[in-house]
Amino acid sequence: DAEITQSPRHKITETGRQVTLACHQTWNHNNMFWYRQDLGHGLRLIHYSYGVQDTNKGEVSDGYSVSRSNTEDLPLTLESAASSQTSVYFCASSPRSNGYEQYFGPGTRLTVT
Amino acid sequence: KNEVEQSPQNLTAQEGEFITINCSYSVGISALHWLQQHPGGGIVSLFMLSSGKKKHGRLIATINIQEKHSSLHITASHPRDSAVYICAVRSDGGSQGNLIFGKGTKLSVKP
Repeated sequence: DAEITQSPRHKITETGRQVTLACHQTWNHNNMFWYRQDLGHGLRLIHYSYGVQDTNKGEVSDGYSVSRSNTEDLPLTLESAASSQTSVYFCASSPRSNGYEQYFGPGTRLTVT
Repeated sequence: KNEVEQSPQNLTAQEGEFITINCSYSVGISALHWLQQHPGGGIVSLFMLSSGKKKHGRLIATINIQEKHSSLHITASHPRDSAVYICAVRSDGGSQGNLIFGKGTKLSVKP
């Protein structure tokens, strides 16, 4: 069955370290998204991609980067982790048609100490 | 002001009660989504609608485009319905598929 996975599911890191969160989908969806979820906020868009070699900044992109070298993967990199980046991160994908319904990964809980 | 507002923020109900969660938005939209997030954290899509009403089991979603309002109803609620329900809209002026999310309504159904 097609799916979307994230790894790791939990990560503790130190301030200043570079961290990469993986997102892999087998839906063959063109669109992929990274969100963060924090108490008191809805899901907030970090970066998104509409296809290979395409990346775009979202609402809260400072301190994050993504790359899209193939259809299946959109890794999210925190260049120099900060305590303010402690959050739960969700990856999602959607087709370019059929109403663009989004399918979410299980989430990664990141703690920056 | 948030573009997508949900009410109530928190809701406690007794098993069997009829539940309504509301969503109001301030932008023109091409579609509205209702999502469910269980205590384990996973997010699943319940409904995607652009007009009228959709029903799936005990869940019903309605939308009034003119009033910029949607409701999610749960009939005969059950403790397993306890979750956070999230409303999200796809702006008709926005990029393909990008969603604007409400902050969610936390529902707790007591046995």
